[in-house]
Amino acid sequence: DAKTTQPPSMDCAEGRAANLPCNHSTISGNEYVYWYRQIHSQGPQYIIHGLKNNETNEMASLIITEDRKSSTLILPHATLRDTAVYYCIVGNTDKLIFGTGTRLQVFP
Amino acid sequence: EAGVVQSPRYKIIEKKQPVAFWCNPISGHNTLYWYRQNLGQGPELLIRYENEEAVDDSQLPKDRFSAERLKGVDSTLKIQPAELGDSAVYLCASSGGSGNIQYFGAGTRLSVL
Repeated sequence: DAKTTQPPSMDCAEGRAANLPCNHSTISGNEYVYWYRQIHSQGPQYIIHGLKNNETNEMASLIITEDRKSSTLILPHATLRDTAVYYCIVGNTDKLIFGTGTRLQVFP
Repeated sequence: EAGVVQSPRYKIIEKKQPVAFWCNPISGHNTLYWYRQNLGQGPELLIRYENEEAVDDSQLPKDRFSAERLKGVDSTLKIQPAELGDSAVYLCASSGGSGNIQYFGAGTRLSVL
């Protein structure tokens, strides 16, 4: 299973875009990139996933590089409620291996 | 649509006591997962069920942990006897349907004293 590398923490001003990077240089051809987040005292919440193409939904955008070795999760207008730990995971839905994620702090 | 429901939300027990956690997955989801999350770490898979069959229990400490999903719907995870190191959050997730995404419950926070 591919591993991911994420910065341990990031800050973002409220209303600005939060760009969370993830490196996954050993990703296999059939493995997806998933993003989850975990707000304090809650279970992980699914955000978005993708295989090759960039993806967008109501929560975020996912930009995957052409070689698929890295990706960026974009929260276009961060709010205080986006403060959480963000996990980047590569694999398939039946085998999600979580790392320690990026702790995003959104400040006023 | 109701999400994954877990109970209890919190449990405090003394070491060597038994404890059980219950999970009701999203309706129609055939796959159910139990995870354990230690403080400051990401969740780690304990067991995965496809309907009532445990298809991946390689990370389940079988000397003291057991799980069941008798009718392929809700599930119970048991620890007997509990040890101090079992203090953690136990998360249940389910998947199925469009996109086959895993959705998580709120978890049960276990404290073993």
